[in-house]
Parts: sequence; C-alpha cells; structure tokens
Amino acid sequence: KAGVTQTPRYLIKTRGQQVTLSCSPISGHRSVSWYQQTPGQGLQFLFEYFSETQRNKGNFPGRFSGRQFSNSRSEMNVSTLELGDSALYLCASSLEGQWLDEQYFGPGTRLTVT
Amino acid sequence: AQSVAQPEDQVNVAEGNPLTVKCTYSVSGNPYLFWYVQYPNRGLQFLLKYITGDNLVKGSYGFEAEFNKSQTSFHLKKPSALVSDSALYFCAVRDEGTGFQKLVFGTGTRLLVSP
Repeated sequence: KAGVTQTPRYLIKTRGQQVTLSCSPISGHRSVSWYQQTPGQGLQFLFEYFSETQRNKGNFPGRFSGRQFSNSRSEMNVSTLELGDSALYLCASSLEGQWLDEQYFGPGTRLTVT
Repeated sequence: AQSVAQPEDQVNVAEGNPLTVKCTYSVSGNPYLFWYVQYPNRGLQFLLKYITGDNLVKGSYGFEAEFNKSQTSFHLKKPSALVSDSALYFCAVRDEGTGFQKLVFGTGTRLLVSP
C-alpha cells in the first residue's frame, strides 16, 4: 500500500506570493491533517479535513486555508506569504481522524520564503 | 487549554541501557496523550497513544509509555536502547478546545544513543 505523498517536496517563494501544497493520503483514509514545523515555534497543528469538510483547526491566521477533494486528496494554501511562513509542512492521513486512530505522515514540503 | 511539557532538550544514553524521555501534561478532563518520533530528514511517525485503559501503553519499535495520573506524567520508555533509536521525540495532547479539537505538541526531546 502506497504511503502518504506530498508535492512538491521543496519550494522557494517570494514574500507576498501565495503557495499551494498537495497531499495524497493512503488509499481508504478519509482524514487528512496538516502541521507546520519551524525551529522557533516547533510543531503546530494547522487543520484537519474529513470527508471534504474542515473538522478541526489550530490557531493560524486566515491566510492559511485548505480543502479536501472527494478522493480525499487535500491541498493547503497560504496567501500573502511572510518570511515566518518558512517551514516544513507535514500532512498526515488516517482512517477516521481526530487522533483516535494511527496517523501516517508524509515526508513533508519544505517551503522557503525569501 | 491543554498542554504538554518536555523538560529535557536532549537525553543521552548508551546502547543497551534503558531509556526514558519525560513528558508532563496539563489537561482538564481525560487526557488523550501521544508520542511521535522524527528521524533525521524524515517525517513524523506515530509511536503510541493513551486514551483510556491500562496505564502502561505499548507501542511501536519496543517503546512503551506509562500514564501516571497523580504525577500528570506520560514518560516514554524502552528497556534497551539502540543506536537507531537516536531521533527527535515529541509528546502531544489532544486539546478539546471550544468547538474544535487540536493536537498540541511539546517542544521535543532529542535522544542520542551512543554505541
């Protein structure tokens, strides 16, 4: 069974631009969660999607948004990029979500904002 | 709000010795607690979780964690460390919040196992 895939793996953007990251979950998994990892703030939960609906969210500004498609693939969008958005963005999938079952993580997308 | 604390930035242990990575929690209600591991240049991996039941939780790769309600701790343990266990370990708690749930992570503990 294929694991969680994230594209692209690396991305360089300029401040003020927007970016879209993609996550393909394990087949059959309906929950996709997104996380941001930075040296300063550590690991932070962004949001969780389940059956195309945002079910849970962390404390991030509205510039961070996401969506989930009918095949459970998810995208995360960050608009008006700031230098502080430079981070490793991880997505994870699971069958039912809400951390009640095991999450499987992708390798991450490393975003650099210049 | 729920939170977890990992008091040690780094833990050093010799291969073959037992290891403990500490985590304390602050929650209202019943805690949902987790341990994750991040190997160099790789994504996170789930190790184990405590929701309810036995205070000793067994997880992947021979790891286990002990839930202690009186000490509000959820320490990660392994009887015999391997060099390959060297990695970054995160404790986390599910925060029920108001309306939304979220996962709150500790700051991480780097485990170094020497040969």
